[in-house]
Amino acid sequence: GAGVSQSPSNKVTEKGKDVELRCDPISGHTALYWYRQSLGQGLEFLIYFQGNSAPDKSGLPSDRFSAERTGGSVSTLTIQRTQQEDSAVYLCASSLQGGTYEQYFGPGTRLTVT
Amino acid sequence: GENVEQHPSTLSVQEGDSAVIKCTYSDSASNYFPWYKQELGKGPQLIIDIRSNVGEKKDQRIAVTLNKTAKHFSLHITETQPEDSAVYFCAASKGTNAGKSTFGDGTTLTVKP
Repeated sequence: GAGVSQSPSNKVTEKGKDVELRCDPISGHTALYWYRQSLGQGLEFLIYFQGNSAPDKSGLPSDRFSAERTGGSVSTLTIQRTQQEDSAVYLCASSLQGGTYEQYFGPGTRLTVT
Repeated sequence: GENVEQHPSTLSVQEGDSAVIKCTYSDSASNYFPWYKQELGKGPQLIIDIRSNVGEKKDQRIAVTLNKTAKHFSLHITETQPEDSAVYFCAASKGTNAGKSTFGDGTTLTVKP
């Protein structure tokens, strides 16, 4: 079946512009995660959605970052007024439920801020 | 909150040798410990996991051991092959709806032919 998809696969933007990154989770998965991975680094947790509960936003690095999940499915990560340090691969993952369930990762969006 | 430490950060072995990656966690309530493999240009993929009611789990050349008392778990890869070269991440979580998993910083494994 279809896995987690993300779009675009690559995004180049100028400093100061806003960007939107999209994640389509596996159908029926109630949990959705966003991570950031800088070159050669580990997974930096950004935000976690679980069903209809309030999202866990504890990993968002600044108020320029926000995310929504509409209808419990598709999610959009928005970065406002992008900075060069925002350049990274943004990974989305979904799981059947949160916590002790396997996370299925998408291929990521490579964001480059010039 | 949970803290997961992973060692070593890089590991180089000869083809056919074994590789061991170790992780420690801080929250004794954590009860699920997955390992993910990330190949270049791809998202991480689960390769094996273990729950706290089990001490060891094996799947062909891959095994994971868990010591709940010491709060550490390890990934063992035997008879390594060049295609095992990748970045490996451990993680810890607790409860079905208890929120996010905590990941280690990753180990870059290189298997030399």
